[in-house]
Amino acid sequence: EDQVTQSPEALRLQEGESSSLNCSYTVSGLRGLFWYRQDPGKGPEFLFTLYSAGEEKEKERLKATLTKKESFLHITAPKPEDSATYLCAVRAFMEYGNKLVFGAGTILRVKS
Amino acid sequence: EPEVTQTPSHQVTQMGQEVILRCVPISNHLYFYWYRQILGQKVEFLVSFYNNEISEKSEIFDDQFSVERPDGSNFTLKIRSTKLEDSAMYFCASSTGAVYSYEQYFGPGTRLTVT
Repeated sequence: EDQVTQSPEALRLQEGESSSLNCSYTVSGLRGLFWYRQDPGKGPEFLFTLYSAGEEKEKERLKATLTKKESFLHITAPKPEDSATYLCAVRAFMEYGNKLVFGAGTILRVKS
Repeated sequence: EPEVTQTPSHQVTQMGQEVILRCVPISNHLYFYWYRQILGQKVEFLVSFYNNEISEKSEIFDDQFSVERPDGSNFTLKIRSTKLEDSAMYFCASSTGAVYSYEQYFGPGTRLTVT
């Protein structure tokens, strides 16, 4: 069974204090790892897709990396507006359908 | 920027009643999905839909659930006889279907409360 585990469950940072979120996965034939941001009461907002080990993607203060067993979301010099829940999801190989399996998320709070 | 829209934003219904949740996916997308998120829990896959038929469904998606694309723009989820445990946020998503473009774009969700 495909599984996604995110750590830590919650993270409190001071503004400007860089850190990393972890997503470890067990999947039969990874066909994409996705990072989303979710604000309270809202739908997940797409951030990045990673397809192969060694791949990196960047957007503003966020950088996502991928290895064969885990992904990291690095946050550099975060601001209060980066506060949200960050979700990791994987897409496994399948002939039909594109089901995403989500982790439980990391709740990030950035204080000014 | 194109986005997925959902209506209503909040639906309150009594146990045993039928509800229909509506979604308008991004216009050039070919794959459509429903997910749900019970308060404080993970986002869970319900069903994927392509070429006017279900391509995959989860164990949650039993005979009480159905999906339909009644016209060229809407995508609906029907729950025939709601139960208390159906209370959740329901998210519609869509994707292009292009190779190596598998990211799914989510709508804002419908909060379903079953009393």
